[in-house]
Amino acid sequence: AQKITQTQPGMFVQEKEAVTLDCTYDTSDPSYGLFWYKQPSSGEMIFLIYQGSYDQQNATEGRYSLNFQKARKSANLVISASQLGDSAMYFCAMRRRNAGNMLTFGGGTRLMVKP
Amino acid sequence: EPEVTQTPSHQVTQMGQEVILRCVPISNHLYFYWYRQILGQKVEFLVSFYNNEISEKSEIFDDQFSVERPDGSNFTLKIRSTKLEDSAMYFCASTPLAGVEDTQYFGPGTRLTVL
Repeated sequence: AQKITQTQPGMFVQEKEAVTLDCTYDTSDPSYGLFWYKQPSSGEMIFLIYQGSYDQQNATEGRYSLNFQKARKSANLVISASQLGDSAMYFCAMRRRNAGNMLTFGGGTRLMVKP
Repeated sequence: EPEVTQTPSHQVTQMGQEVILRCVPISNHLYFYWYRQILGQKVEFLVSFYNNEISEKSEIFDDQFSVERPDGSNFTLKIRSTKLEDSAMYFCASTPLAGVEDTQYFGPGTRLTVL
């Protein structure tokens, strides 16, 4: 069965510093996609970044980048130059080609940015 | 920018009552989903829907749940006889295609409270 693990239930980061949120996954499927979503206190789920299992380069989207280490089965989210508005829950999720359409989510990491 | 919408934002109901949660997916999307998030827990897949039928469902999606696309724009989740444990945030999501790379865009959620 596929599994997504986020080992950091909560993290603090100083404003303007970079922070890494960890995500490891477990699958034997060769084709899969990894997603990160942000959930602010208002509750909505906001898509941040995607990494495909066959992508040769790490994904980047503005201040977000993904440190994808396929052999280690990790897909850590890096947020550069943290802002107060980055304070939120962050969820890692996976979608597998051989498992239909659903996303499987990790337990999330609560990030708190200190001024 | 097109977005998924959900109504109501908050629904309070008595145990045993029926509730219908409504979603309007992004207009050119073909695949629709419902997820739920019990307070403080991870996001869990309930059901996926394509071409007017369920394509996948989880163990959570038992006979008390049903989904429908009553017209060309709405996508609904019905809970026939609510239980206390159905209290959660319910998210609708949609995606244009079903590849591993296709991002699922989430609505803002409906918070269901069962008393």
